[in-house]
Formats: sequence, C-alpha cells, structure tokens
Amino acid sequence: EAQVTQNPRYLITVTGKKLTVTCSQNMNHEYMSWYRQDPGLGLRQIYYSMNVEVTDKGDVPEGYKVSRKEKRNFPLILESPSPNQTSLYFCASSWVQGSTGELFFGEGSRLTVL
Amino acid sequence: SQQGEEDPQALSIQEGENATMNCSYKTSINNLQWYRQNSGRGLVHLILIRSNEREKHSGRLRVTLDTSKKSSSLLITASRAADTASYFCATDPSLTTDSWGKLQFGAGTQVVVTP
Repeated sequence: EAQVTQNPRYLITVTGKKLTVTCSQNMNHEYMSWYRQDPGLGLRQIYYSMNVEVTDKGDVPEGYKVSRKEKRNFPLILESPSPNQTSLYFCASSWVQGSTGELFFGEGSRLTVL
Repeated sequence: SQQGEEDPQALSIQEGENATMNCSYKTSINNLQWYRQNSGRGLVHLILIRSNEREKHSGRLRVTLDTSKKSSSLLITASRAADTASYFCATDPSLTTDSWGKLQFGAGTQVVVTP
C-alpha cells in the first residue's frame, strides 16, 4: 500500500530536549516536504527536498533541521525545541515533473513542548 | 507566507445541498490543488487544475480556475454527511526553477454537512 509514515504520532517533550520526527515513503517519490499546521494559519512549509542530498527552506525553517540521505526518508529534527514549536506536523511526498504534483500526506505528528 | 486564502472560513449546509468555496491567491501559478482534511487526519488530494485549464470535474467535485482574477472555486454537489471536513487550496508557483517545491496552502474552509 502506498503510504507516508510518520513517527511518533504523538509526543510530549520539554524545552531543549532534542527530538526527531521520522518520515518514510514507499512510492519512490523524489519530492518530500514538512509542514506544520496551527489553528487559523493553515499549513506552513518548513523544509522541502527535491531529491536525495537536496534540501531547501520553506516559509518557517527557524528551529528545524532536515536531512535527505536516502530517497525514502526525510526526518525532521528539532535540536532545541521551544513551546512555540508545539504544533501538528505533516510530512508529504510527491512526484515532480517540472512542477509539484499531488501530495501524499502522512497522518501527522502532534508535538507538545512544555 | 500563505499564498492562497479560502472563503468562507466556515460553511454549514444540509445533506443534498451544494457547497461552494473559493480560493484567491497572489502570484502566478503553475497549478492549483484542492485537498480535504478530516478532523486531525492527514490531508487527502482531491483535484489538481493546471494554469492553462479553466474547469475540471471529478465525481461530485467541480473546480474552476480564473487566472486573470487569481481565483479558484470548489463546488461539491449533492453533499453528504461524509463530506464534513476542512478543505484547503494549495498553489504551486513553479514558474521558475527557484520556486519549485514551494507548494503553499491557505487556512482552509471548514464545511459541516448535517443530515
């Protein structure tokens, strides 16, 4: 089954404790992206990757890191989480043929930073 | 920055009625996409319309695109309780290589369909 898998789905952590949210897709997509969703703000792009070893900042990259060492994986790293990073996070992937195609989303990771 | 803005923010209708929501955007686009999100779940792609298309249909969905007005609309006909969800438009500004990948979403329209 074609899918994007995120882990963990729920996480409560404390300020400053490094954490990683994993994302894996089994569709051989070149493009992967991370979004955060906050009430009234819709989805805002954090980072995206057009292919292995190629990553770029989205609209709200501050406080986050990513890496793309393999095509299927695109982890999101919070080196020193702060309460304003409490949010619902989504990973998505897509084929790319000159433009961004249909995005396939994971089920989301709800993060609370105390 | 949010490229697309949906209108209305919320919509309440009865089963069998049509639901229409609009999306306005600011810059030129390559394509525009609509997504549905059930409460707390991941987004699901509904339809993609390219900048050279004016209308597209998929089942009970009808999407229009007016690039001169920088706006799009999503019509759901004969709505069902299962259509209750939030609907988002997303714009792809991939007209130049330095804007590839920056698919941007609006804040969404929350639709409630009552039986």
